[in-house]
Amino acid sequence: GAVVSQHPSWVICKSGTSVKIECRSLDFQATTMFWYRQFPKQSLMLMATSNEGSKATYEQGVEKDKFLINHASLTLSTLTVTSAHPEDSSFYICSARDGGLAMLEQYFGPGTRLTVT
Amino acid sequence: QKEVEQNSGPLSVPEGAIASLNCTYSDRVSQSFFWYRQYSGKSPELIMSIYSNGDKEDGRFTAQLNKASQYVSLLIRDSQPSDSATYLCAVSGNQFYFGTGTSLTVIP
Repeated sequence: GAVVSQHPSWVICKSGTSVKIECRSLDFQATTMFWYRQFPKQSLMLMATSNEGSKATYEQGVEKDKFLINHASLTLSTLTVTSAHPEDSSFYICSARDGGLAMLEQYFGPGTRLTVT
Repeated sequence: QKEVEQNSGPLSVPEGAIASLNCTYSDRVSQSFFWYRQYSGKSPELIMSIYSNGDKEDGRFTAQLNKASQYVSLLIRDSQPSDSATYLCAVSGNQFYFGTGTSLTVIP
């Protein structure tokens, strides 16, 4: 149980274009989903927290107009990187929590490797 | 002060030895504690959860929690080269915090 999928697993796009990444909880309802970014050999960096049906909460320094997050259902959240630039190239990972309690564990998707040329 | 502190390592142990990974946290209201394993280029994978003081064993892994000292550890017995990865400590109370991870290398 507790399987989270992401699509696509990797994507290459040109500078200035937008990319959408999907995160799905396959066998549970994810009240809360998280989006992280990880640069090579660096630690996870939380970008935003999204609760189903409400606006995402962004971490300090993360541009909400550039990284659009939609959590339209209990099993799907999307991250759209708008007007991507080479510095946005990174490993984007989502995670989901089964329920609304903060104490519960997070399950991670396999990640999406974004390369902006 | 960071909410969750881990020694970044790298920690190297010979195959078959015990690897000991440590983590301290600052928020006394923390209720839940987790260890994740992350292989290079992959996303983190949950390997242990612990909620009460003491030890919790799962196969070769033992998590230890001491809330009074705000300390949680992970022991890996009979370490294997396949255990080589970065281990992330996570703490949850009012919010969920990850440590920066400890890199473990098991030498054959």
